[in-house]
Amino acid sequence: AQSVSQHNHHVILSEAASLELGCNYSYGGTVNLFWYVQYPGQHLQLLLKYFSGDPLVKGIKGFEAEFIKSKFSFNLRKPSVQWSDTAEYFCAVTQRNTGFQKLVFGTGTRLLVSP
Amino acid sequence: DGGITQSPKYLFRKEGQNVTLSCEQNLNHDAMYWYRQDPGQGLRLIYYSQIVNDFQKGDIAEGYSVSREKKESFPLTVTSAQKNPTAFYLCAVRQANQPQHFGDGTRLSIL
Repeated sequence: AQSVSQHNHHVILSEAASLELGCNYSYGGTVNLFWYVQYPGQHLQLLLKYFSGDPLVKGIKGFEAEFIKSKFSFNLRKPSVQWSDTAEYFCAVTQRNTGFQKLVFGTGTRLLVSP
Repeated sequence: DGGITQSPKYLFRKEGQNVTLSCEQNLNHDAMYWYRQDPGQGLRLIYYSQIVNDFQKGDIAEGYSVSREKKESFPLTVTSAQKNPTAFYLCAVRQANQPQHFGDGTRLSIL
């Protein structure tokens, strides 16, 4: 079965530090990849997505992610985090053989940014 | 997300009772989904529906039931057969070739 691994469960950074959150998936076929963010008390929001084309995708709030097919990875990055980036981040994948219908999530990474 | 309404926001249930969570959308999207979120486990798919009068089981469907009688509505019933129903439940919608968008969620607790 398809699985998604997020290796960092909790990350603590100071403001202005750089961020990289890891995400690996297990399916070898065609995939669509997503990062969602859940700010405290808010609903789950799409941060960025990859469907095809340029493997480096840019999202909202200065986030970007790079799809490396050979490593089955889709890591999230931000050069300089802010206190307002404190949230839980979820990597998610859909695959062609389910018609891209079933979204499989990683277990999430809680990011705390200290001012 | 705007256009997706989950109600109620908080719900309490006595053991042995069934309870129904509401999800309504005015986005005219075809597909609707129910997920369960537990701390440290991410989101897990319960049921999904790609079209009216049709739905499929997700990864953790046991103890849950759904219906899709109207395009805009996809209610989830948590039955007494669900052994650990306390969780945060999220509804999502999707139009073809687009990402899923989520409602604000319903937090269900057992009294």
